[in-house]
Amino acid sequence: AQTVTQSQPEMSVQEAETVTLSCTYDTSENNYYLFWYKQPPSRQMILVIRQEAYKQQNATENRFSVNFQKAAKSFSLKISDSQLGDTAMYFCAFMYHSGGSNYKLTFGKGTLLTVNP
Amino acid sequence: GAVVSQHPSWVICKSGTSVKIECRSLDFQATTMFWYRQFPKQSLMLMATSNEGSKATYEQGVEKDKFLINHASLTLSTLTVTSAHPEDSSFYICSATTGGAGNQPQHFGDGTRLSIL
Repeated sequence: AQTVTQSQPEMSVQEAETVTLSCTYDTSENNYYLFWYKQPPSRQMILVIRQEAYKQQNATENRFSVNFQKAAKSFSLKISDSQLGDTAMYFCAFMYHSGGSNYKLTFGKGTLLTVNP
Repeated sequence: GAVVSQHPSWVICKSGTSVKIECRSLDFQATTMFWYRQFPKQSLMLMATSNEGSKATYEQGVEKDKFLINHASLTLSTLTVTSAHPEDSSFYICSATTGGAGNQPQHFGDGTRLSIL
């Protein structure tokens, strides 16, 4: 079974500063994909960034970057120059091939990030 | 691109009523759609995976007769909560993907808040 653990239920950061959200996972799969989604108060799930497990290079998307450590099964998200609009619940997610043509997402419990002015 | 529309966004109904929730991919063909349930301040729990033209695959513990899923076209999947009771009150979110390789992310709808009186 695949599990995703986010050990920080809540975090806060000052506007313009940098914050890192932690995520670890457990799997016996060799090919998989990792994602960070954000869910603002509006409740819509928004894809922030994704990483293929076979790629060693860490993914980056503007102010968002990840530190992917495959051996340690760690996938942290760094947000630089935090903005008020970054306030949201952040979910780490693991995607794996579940059979046939299907892939399943397993989510962590989330980290509530608050950006303070 | 990759917009998923979910309707209705909020529904309140009496116990015993059946409620249908629609999930549409507006600008792409979704070979696979997923239905999730989210309780307050908790993560998303996968209920079922729906492939176009096939019967849905339900997760363990999800009653298929209670939560009817139909994926009749490449752009529409519906979830019908039959004979809904207060314990079915929750936030339901659909997602859609073009399927195929696992690096195709899931695109989420805005969710439906279901309240059963």
